[in-house]
Amino acid sequence: QSVLTQPPSASGTPGQRVTISCSGSTSNIGSNTVNWYQQLPGTAPKLLIYSDNQRPSGVPDRFSGSKSGTSASLAISGLQSEDEADYYCAAWDDSLIGPWVFGGGTKLTVL
Amino acid sequence: EVHLVESGGDLVLPGRSLRLSCAASGFIFGDYAMHWVRQAPGRGLQYVSGVSWNGAEIVYAEYVKGRFTTSRDNAKNSLILQMSSLTSEDTALYYCARDVAATVTRVASRFDHWGQGTLVTVSS
Repeated sequence: QSVLTQPPSASGTPGQRVTISCSGSTSNIGSNTVNWYQQLPGTAPKLLIYSDNQRPSGVPDRFSGSKSGTSASLAISGLQSEDEADYYCAAWDDSLIGPWVFGGGTKLTVL
Repeated sequence: EVHLVESGGDLVLPGRSLRLSCAASGFIFGDYAMHWVRQAPGRGLQYVSGVSWNGAEIVYAEYVKGRFTTSRDNAKNSLILQMSSLTSEDTALYYCARDVAATVTRVASRFDHWGQGTLVTVSS
C-alpha cells in the first residue's frame, strides 16, 4: 500500500482532458513539493512535472500540475494516444516513512 | 547525453547478498546526488536509497535499512547498491536515477534521468 494515494486507472478519448489525483498527508504533499513521472509501457520512468507545476524542457504544455493542501493533480489536455502510460506522483516525506514516497500509479488508457 | 546503465541483477536465493552497479556517463557524475528506485513486477515505483554528490549523506527507505548499503565512486562514475539478507519482497527491477540537486534534499529535488534497470529475483 503506497503512502500517496492515486486512482489505479483513468481513461479518456483523444482530445479530451483528464486529471489524475494524488492524495497524501501533512508530512509529504502538505509540506513538500510534488513531482510527477510518466512511465510508457516497457520503459523507464520520465520526469513529467516537478515542484508541483513546473514542466521540464521538452514536456508539452498539455501536461500541467497543481497542488492544494495535501493533494495534488496532474492534468492532461488534448489527450493523445501516445499519452497512454502509467503516471506516478512523488514527494519527500518528513516522517520515518521517507525520505521519498511514491503514489501507487495510475494507468491511463486512451480509448 | 546522460546515460545510466545498471548491472548486477540476478536470480538469488533468499537470505543471500547481491551487488548492483550503475555506470554513469555524459555528465559530471560527482556534481549530482544519485538514487535507487525499484519496481516489483506489475507494481509501482518504490524508493530505495539516495546518496549525496560526495557520498557524505546517504538515506534509505525504512524497509531496506540495515540490509542495503549505497555508495559511490566518483572517480569511476559509479553508483553501488550492496544488498544483503534478501527476501522475495526485494524482487524488482532496480533503477538508478540522477537528481538535479547535489545533496539529498527536499528542496527542488527531482529525478531527471533514469537508467533502464536491472532485474533482481529472489527465489528458492
